[in-house]
Amino acid sequence: EAGVTQSPTHLIKTRGQQATLRCSPISGHTSVYWYQQALGLGLQFLLWYDEGEERNRGNFPPRFSGRQFPNYSSELNVNALELEDSALYLCASSWPGQGTSVYGYTFGSGTRLTVV
Amino acid sequence: EDQVTQSPEALRLQEGESSSLNCSYTVSGLRGLFWYRQDPGKGPEFLFTLYSAGEEKEKERLKATLTKKESFLHITAPKPEDSATYLCARRANTGFQKLVFGTGTRLLVSP
Repeated sequence: EAGVTQSPTHLIKTRGQQATLRCSPISGHTSVYWYQQALGLGLQFLLWYDEGEERNRGNFPPRFSGRQFPNYSSELNVNALELEDSALYLCASSWPGQGTSVYGYTFGSGTRLTVV
Repeated sequence: EDQVTQSPEALRLQEGESSSLNCSYTVSGLRGLFWYRQDPGKGPEFLFTLYSAGEEKEKERLKATLTKKESFLHITAPKPEDSATYLCARRANTGFQKLVFGTGTRLLVSP
């Protein structure tokens, strides 16, 4: 079974540009989560999508946005990039209604975004 | 507010030297306490979920335990391949599909 796949692996952008990160969940998983892991900080929750809808959002500015497609893959867009947006962006997926699941969710390997 | 605090930040062990990692959390309404392992440049890999005080889970050299306000990850006779960052997380009290993570413990096991 293929795991959660993210692309690209690495992305270098200039301050002020836009970045687009992509995520394909495990087959059958309908929920997709995005987390930011900046150096020295824990994973910070960004967004949760389920069945094509944004269900929850973390404490990030509106220039962080995304969407989920009918095949449940997802895209994270970061507009007007700032230097502090440099981080590992992790995508995870889970079965629907996995609020009480023992497995939490499954992470991809992430996209390393560097803003220069 | 949901909070998870891990200690120590970093831990260096000799191969075979057992130790424990700590994770303390805000108490109200725990719906699951998770342990993950993260290797450099990789996403976190699920290890354990604990739900109630007194619960224990084991996997190879790792054992996770839970009390009413903290969790421990015990590492028995570690090997160099156990070197990684170990992350603890709890389900948020609101929007419980999201996990609140600690900053992790970086473990280095020397041969």
